[in-house]
Formats: sequence, structure tokens, C-alpha cells
Amino acid sequence: DIVMTQSPDSLAVSLGERATINCKSSQSVFYSSYNKTYLAWYQQRPGQPPNLLIYWASTRESGVPDRFSGSGSVTDFTLTISSLQAEDVAIYYCQQYYSIPYTFGQGTKLEIK
Amino acid sequence: EVQLVESGGGLVQPGGSLRLSCAASGFTFSSYWMHWVRQAPGKGLVWVSRIDHDGDSTAYADSVKGRFTFSRDNAKNTLYLQMNSLRAEDTAVYFCARGYCTTASCYTSSAFDVWGQGTMVTVSS
Repeated sequence: DIVMTQSPDSLAVSLGERATINCKSSQSVFYSSYNKTYLAWYQQRPGQPPNLLIYWASTRESGVPDRFSGSGSVTDFTLTISSLQAEDVAIYYCQQYYSIPYTFGQGTKLEIK
Repeated sequence: EVQLVESGGGLVQPGGSLRLSCAASGFTFSSYWMHWVRQAPGKGLVWVSRIDHDGDSTAYADSVKGRFTFSRDNAKNTLYLQMNSLRAEDTAVYFCARGYCTTASCYTSSAFDVWGQGTMVTVSS
């Protein structure tokens, strides 16, 4: 199984400041035949289901604010929120969908400082 | 509106069975690969199972293999998760989720772009 490890486990950032969450996979999630990276980011607010933010490592889902961006390749990935808003308080998960079982990171809890 | 609605959760004794359903609407259900993901109270997300668009192919996490069966009825736009030999560690909110498709094609492996609200399963005596 591919192990996904996020850092940090929790993060407190001031409103308007940048938040950065890292995700590392135990093996490559880049599929060279399709030239695609099988990595997604989700946001889960309290009491809500997860919401897809980013797929193929850097493609923003429709309707997601452009302050959210994804970057990285092979085994190291980053989710960046450029200017934190109050509604961004949530737990964020990375996920690999390169191979079954699809695995998630343990989650990063983002709070307002 | 694209929507997934789970039902069938509840309290069941260890060793018991439960069948979850997920009703889909607002999209061409028969084109999409679908998934179940679970979340134990206060814990993270765990992928459980996947089914292809016509129900011919399924895959399972090792923790549920041989106990859970994922099926679908494309005529009814509904997914089913039959859960047998339930254990305390199966206690979780169960979400159904849709695998992403473009307008051109659906991927066998993709991110999950639509999620239901979840249904709670509690396994306890």
C-alpha cells in the first residue's frame, strides 16, 4: 500500500496569511503512460463530507477559489492557501488514486491564529 | 443538481449484517465509477471499495475483503454496500463518492468529485 504522510498535523495561521500543507507519498504516484500525477486534495469542514479542491496534483476543481493551489511531483506535494479566510478552517487531506487501495493522508487541521 | 444520498446505517451487534444504499441523481449514473469511503468518529478518511460503471469489477480494502460486497443497479441509480460479519472497528460514517469524469471520458482511477452526506454505522453490543 502507498502510505501518505502529511505535515504538519495542525496549523494555525492568521487571516490573510499564507497556509502551506505538505504531503509525501511512500512511492511515486506519477503515471508516465498518461503523464498524470494521481494526487488529490480535499477539504472537510466540521460535520460535512469532504470536498474536492485539487486533482491531478495541481488542477483546481470547478468552483474552488483561486487562493487554493496544488503543486509538487512524484512523491512530494503541497497545498497552498495564499490568503487565509475564516471559511478555510477545516481539516485537509491528500489522497493518492494511483493504486488500490486508494489511501489518504492522516489530515491536517487548519485553524485561525 | 448532482446528488448522492446514503441510507441504511444504524446500530448492529458484532457479527451482524447491514446493507447501505446510495441514491444518485442529477447525472448519468451508469457512466461513473463509484466508491465507498468511511470515517471512524474523530478519525481520518479510509477508502473502502470501488465499483466500475457497469458493476462488473469491484475492489476492496483488505480490512473488508470477504465481508463487504459492493454492487449497483444502474436502472435504479443506486449503489449498495452489503456488510456482513460486522466488527466494532467497522463503526464509522460511510460516504459514497463519485469518481471524476471529464466530458470526454471517465477514468478508472480518479479523484472523488461528489460525496454524499454519509450514513452512520455503529457496531456494538
